[in-house]
Amino acid sequence: KAGVTQTPRYLIKTRGQQVTLSCSPISGHRSVSWYQQTPGQGLQFLFEYFSETQRNKGNFPGRFSGRQFSNSRSEMNVSTLELGDSALYLCASSLSTGGLSGELFFGEGSRLTVL
Amino acid sequence: AQSVAQPEDQVNVAEGNPLTVKCTYSVSGNPYLFWYVQYPNRGLQFLLKYITGDNLVKGSYGFEAEFNKSQTSFHLKKPSALVSDSALYFCAVIWDNYGQNFVFGPGTRLSVLP
Repeated sequence: KAGVTQTPRYLIKTRGQQVTLSCSPISGHRSVSWYQQTPGQGLQFLFEYFSETQRNKGNFPGRFSGRQFSNSRSEMNVSTLELGDSALYLCASSLSTGGLSGELFFGEGSRLTVL
Repeated sequence: AQSVAQPEDQVNVAEGNPLTVKCTYSVSGNPYLFWYVQYPNRGLQFLLKYITGDNLVKGSYGFEAEFNKSQTSFHLKKPSALVSDSALYFCAVIWDNYGQNFVFGPGTRLSVLP
């Protein structure tokens, strides 16, 4: 079956703009988590959605937001982009909320460059 | 706060030799432990997990890991390294009493030299 699909794979924005990233989970998976990966900070948890509800949120400013649709697809939005938002944004899906249901299945990421 | 440590930024090993990538975690509740691998410009791929039971777990591509509760460690091992094992390895932990989201270690870059 198809894996986790993230679009776009690469994008370039300028400071002050906003960006929306999309994630389609594995069919049947209801939980979608988002992570930011940077060389300096590693993998940092942004938020998790399950059945269209945000279940957990990491320590990021309010410029970072997300949502999940009824078909489990998720989007995350970053407003008023800063240079430090340049990163690989990874989406992961799982059958159920949290990690106790098993492993996360990751997409290949969206690489955002902010100029 | 809960934390996961991977004390080595980089591990170099010759092809055919055994490899170990180390992981330790902070103590709180019952941990569930995972290893993931990331190849360049790719997402993370699941290797193996420990939830309960036998402390030695076997995973994909010949990797295994041993859960050591007294040392709060979950080191990744492979008896004979391949050049194709060269990648970034992440240890991840979820605690049954902490928010139910994964905490990832900083990653260890493994280089297997031919």
